[in-house]
Amino acid sequence: KAGVTQTPRYLIKTRGQQVTLSCSPISGHRSVSWYQQTPGQGLQFLFEYFSETQRNKGNFPGRFSGRQFSNSRSEMNVSTLELGDSALYLCASSLSNVFTDTQYFGPGTRLTVL
Amino acid sequence: TQLLEQSPQFLSIQEGENLTVYCNSSSVFSSLQWYRQEPGEGPVLLVTVVTGGEVKKLKRLTFQFGDARKDSSLHITAAQPGDTGLYLCAGDNTNAGKSTFGDGTTLTVKP
Repeated sequence: KAGVTQTPRYLIKTRGQQVTLSCSPISGHRSVSWYQQTPGQGLQFLFEYFSETQRNKGNFPGRFSGRQFSNSRSEMNVSTLELGDSALYLCASSLSNVFTDTQYFGPGTRLTVL
Repeated sequence: TQLLEQSPQFLSIQEGENLTVYCNSSSVFSSLQWYRQEPGEGPVLLVTVVTGGEVKKLKRLTFQFGDARKDSSLHITAAQPGDTGLYLCAGDNTNAGKSTFGDGTTLTVKP
């Protein structure tokens, strides 16, 4: 079956702009989690959605937001971009929001903020 | 905040050597996972350990969960260049979020 897809794969923006990233989970998966990966901070949890509801949120400012649609596809939005937002944004899908359910990661979206 | 510390941060070895990577925390985790991530790709789950003292083997990889469920180790026997990658441990985060990840160990296996 098809894996997790993320679009776009690469993105270059300037400070102050906003960006929307998209994630299509594996068919049948209802949980989608978003992570930010940087060399200095590692992989940090942003938020998790399950059945269109945000279940958990990491320690990120309100500029980071997300949503999940009825088909489980998810989007995350970052407003008023800062240089420090440059990172690899990873999306992971799983059957449910139970930790031991295997998370399948997409290839990520590489965001560069100039 | 539940934190996972991985060591070493970087490891460069020759093909055929053995190695161990560690994942430690002051917090107790009900379960812990190990992932491998290759450049340009997302992490891929290798194993989930749920019982203190548990040992799981996956071909040349041996995973151990500490008795107190605060630490874990990954041992690779006779490493191969294909083992090169970033190894991440992740624990279930009971406070918020699905997973807390360690900073990772970057392994390079030279032929």
